[in-house]
Amino acid sequence: EAQVTQNPRYLITVTGKKLTVTCSQNMNHEYMSWYRQDPGLGLRQIYYSMNVEVTDKGDVPEGYKVSRKEKRNFPLILESPSPNQTSLYFCASRPQGAGYGYTFGSGTRLTVV
Amino acid sequence: AQSVAQPEDQVNVAEGNPLTVKCTYSVSGNPYLFWYVQYPNRGLQFLLKYITGDNLVKGSYGFEAEFNKSQTSFHLKKPSALVSDSALYFCAVRDGRNYGQNFVFGPGTRLSVLP
Repeated sequence: EAQVTQNPRYLITVTGKKLTVTCSQNMNHEYMSWYRQDPGLGLRQIYYSMNVEVTDKGDVPEGYKVSRKEKRNFPLILESPSPNQTSLYFCASRPQGAGYGYTFGSGTRLTVV
Repeated sequence: AQSVAQPEDQVNVAEGNPLTVKCTYSVSGNPYLFWYVQYPNRGLQFLLKYITGDNLVKGSYGFEAEFNKSQTSFHLKKPSALVSDSALYFCAVRDGRNYGQNFVFGPGTRLSVLP
């Protein structure tokens, strides 16, 4: 089944403890992206990647890191999480063509205390 | 820069009645427009898109949307609402000129279909 897989689905952590949210897609998509969803703000892009070793900042990149060493994987790294990073996070992927939409993962609900 | 507005936080409609969820956008070039739906505890699911061609686009689950260039709108519609349509709906836009630029999503509209 074609899908984007995120892990974990739920995560509670403490301020300052480094964490990684994994994302993997099995559709050979070039583009991958991370979004955070907050009430009243919709989805805001954190980082995106156009291909292996090509990444760029989205609208809210502060406090996050990403890497794209393999085409299928796009992990999101929080080096020192803070409570304002408590949110629902989505990974998504799409083909390179202009008219394609994103396929989304099921989301990771992160709580930083 | 591109932007998307969804002027209604919440839309309530009775089952069997037609529904409309509004979306307006702003882009410099040609707009690529998308609608997504999010059910509770789920990721976003693609409903439909407009890239070019016919202004009326048909999508999944009986939904359709009408692209109106002069009003810069892309409203989502369904002739007869179902209770199972209750969900959070997101409109998204991308500038067709810039392959490097990614999607911008609206804030979402919560649709409640009342039995």
